[in-house]
Amino acid sequence: AQTVTQSQPEMSVQEAETVTLSCTYDTSESDYYLFWYKQPPSRQMILVIRQEAYKQQNATENRFSVNFQKAAKSFSLKISDSQLGDAAMYFCAYSGTYKYIFGTGTRLKVLA
Amino acid sequence: SAVISQKPSRDICQRGTSLTIQCQVDSQVTMMFWYRQQPGQSLTLIATANQGSEATYESGFVIDKFPISRPNLTFSTLTVSNMSPEDSSIYLCSVGNAGGINEQFFGPGTRLTVL
Repeated sequence: AQTVTQSQPEMSVQEAETVTLSCTYDTSESDYYLFWYKQPPSRQMILVIRQEAYKQQNATENRFSVNFQKAAKSFSLKISDSQLGDAAMYFCAYSGTYKYIFGTGTRLKVLA
Repeated sequence: SAVISQKPSRDICQRGTSLTIQCQVDSQVTMMFWYRQQPGQSLTLIATANQGSEATYESGFVIDKFPISRPNLTFSTLTVSNMSPEDSSIYLCSVGNAGGINEQFFGPGTRLTVL
């Protein structure tokens, strides 16, 4: 069975600085997708970034980028130039077929 | 991306009662899912709502407790039956399309408190 692990329950970052959130996963599948979702206090789940496993190039979306290490089964999220609005719970998710498996989440605090 | 609405956005219920949560999408979608997010926890998939057939439930969730309907490709309901305080959670629906990129879009969630 697939598993997703987020080992950092909480992280803090100074405004304008860079922070990296960690995620590891376990799977025997060769084709899958990985996602980072953000959940602010409004509880709306917002897709931040996605990565297709067959793509070697790391995905980037503006200030958000991932470091995807397929052999190590690692999928970390880097947030550059952190903003107050980035404060939220961040969930890493794995999808092999159509079902998602979520990690336990990392609460990100942004300090002014 | 799809626009998803859920009703109600929140509710406070007495134990032993039932609540039906509605999920409406602005376009036809193949896949609809229902998740539970217990306080301070991650999301757990309850079931996949299948159009025209019974929902597919995940381990630990049963139809008698969480009956689901999906009468068409834009609408689904989840009922939380015979509620107890342990059912206090956020319930989220999400949608996706078969094939392609496996991306899911989430509704705003329903915050349920059971007294």
